[in-house]
Amino acid sequence: EIVLTQSPGTLSLSPGERATLSCRASQSVSSSYLAWYQQKPGQAPRLLIYGASSRATGIPDRFSGSGSGTDFTLTISRLEPEDFAVYYCQQYGSSRSITFGQGTRLEIK
Amino acid sequence: QVQLVESGGGLVKPGGSLRLSCAASGFTFSDYYMSWIRQAPGKGLEWVSYISSSGSTIYYADSVKGRFTISRDNAKNSLYLQMNSLRAEDTAVYYCARDSTIFGVALYYMDVWGKGTTVTVSS
Repeated sequence: EIVLTQSPGTLSLSPGERATLSCRASQSVSSSYLAWYQQKPGQAPRLLIYGASSRATGIPDRFSGSGSGTDFTLTISRLEPEDFAVYYCQQYGSSRSITFGQGTRLEIK
Repeated sequence: QVQLVESGGGLVKPGGSLRLSCAASGFTFSDYYMSWIRQAPGKGLEWVSYISSSGSTIYYADSVKGRFTISRDNAKNSLYLQMNSLRAEDTAVYYCARDSTIFGVALYYMDVWGKGTTVTVSS
């Protein structure tokens, strides 16, 4: 099973700043099967990025994804107040299983 | 609008059983792979199971294999999760989620989620 490790665990930034979130896989992941989600307290997750770099419907262009192989990044170019949440990466692998990273909490500094 | 609504959660004793349901609306349910994903209190997301659009292909996480059974009724636009031999570590919010299936091919990311139903396993 592929393990996804997200860093940092918590990121403290101010509105207007740039956020860079990392997701590292224990073995190579197909970019087609790497996604990012945002979850706010008491809510279900929301799909942000799929295929490592494609934005889901309705997602602002300040969100971008990049990476390949074992290293993937979610970047929020200029933080808005509503962006403070927990972010998860997720992959699907050849073992026919889906795994999530443990999450990065993005909090207001 | 596209919607998933879970039901069937509750309090159950260890070793007990529960059946979760997920009612889909606003899209052609039979065209999509579906998944169950759970989240223990204060923890991250854990994939539980997924089922193909026809129901012919099913996979489970090792943590629930042999205890949980996923199924679907395309005529009723419904997804189910039968949970047996429940353990305290199964306590979680259970989400029903739609896979971004294209032309019958699963893409293995979830573009629509329900609000979740809470399962608590405790004596």
